[in-house]
Amino acid sequence: AQSVTQPDIHITVSEGASLELRCNYSYGATPYLFWYVQSPGQGLQLLLKYFSGDTLVQGIKGFEAEFKRSQSSFNLRKPSVHWSDAAEYFCAVANYGQNFVFGPGTRLSVLP
Amino acid sequence: NAGVTQTPKFQVLKTGQSMTLQCAQDMNHEYMSWYRQDPGMGLRLIHYSVGAGITDQGEVPNGYNVSRSTTEDFPLRLLSAAPSQTSVYFCASSSSGLVEKLFFGSGTQLSVL
Repeated sequence: AQSVTQPDIHITVSEGASLELRCNYSYGATPYLFWYVQSPGQGLQLLLKYFSGDTLVQGIKGFEAEFKRSQSSFNLRKPSVHWSDAAEYFCAVANYGQNFVFGPGTRLSVLP
Repeated sequence: NAGVTQTPKFQVLKTGQSMTLQCAQDMNHEYMSWYRQDPGMGLRLIHYSVGAGITDQGEVPNGYNVSRSTTEDFPLRLLSAAPSQTSVYFCASSSSGLVEKLFFGSGTQLSVL
């Protein structure tokens, strides 16, 4: 069965600092991987996705993620965090049938 | 562009009451799904549909019913609400075929007393 773990429940960074959110997955084949962001009281918005090809993918809002098959990881990064990035971030894996499995989420707080 | 519309945004029920959460999308998406979000557990799939007349169970289907009579609408029914169903519910849709991104509604916050 597919599963997704996000080891960090809550991360606090200072504005302008770099950010890395960790995601590990368990899946038998090459997964489809996603990062979503959820602002308070809102639905989820897609940041980026990986299907195949280049293992470093670029997303919206200056985010990027790197797929590492050997580590079963898909970590999200941003070189310089803005206060508006404070939100909850979800990593997800999906199979061809489009049913997603989401991780528990990482809440990001940004200090001024 | 409306996208995915969920109603109501908030609902309080008493144990044993029934209700229907509405979900509608205007993007002609074949795939629609319902998730519940609970603290520390991410989103869990309740039911999904790959087209009108076709539904199937997800990870946590017990206590919920769905139907898909049209492409646009995918209501979620709670037949006899229980406190364990207190959660935030999200409807999502996407185009069929290869895995595509999900478009999410803004959610329904449900409390069962």
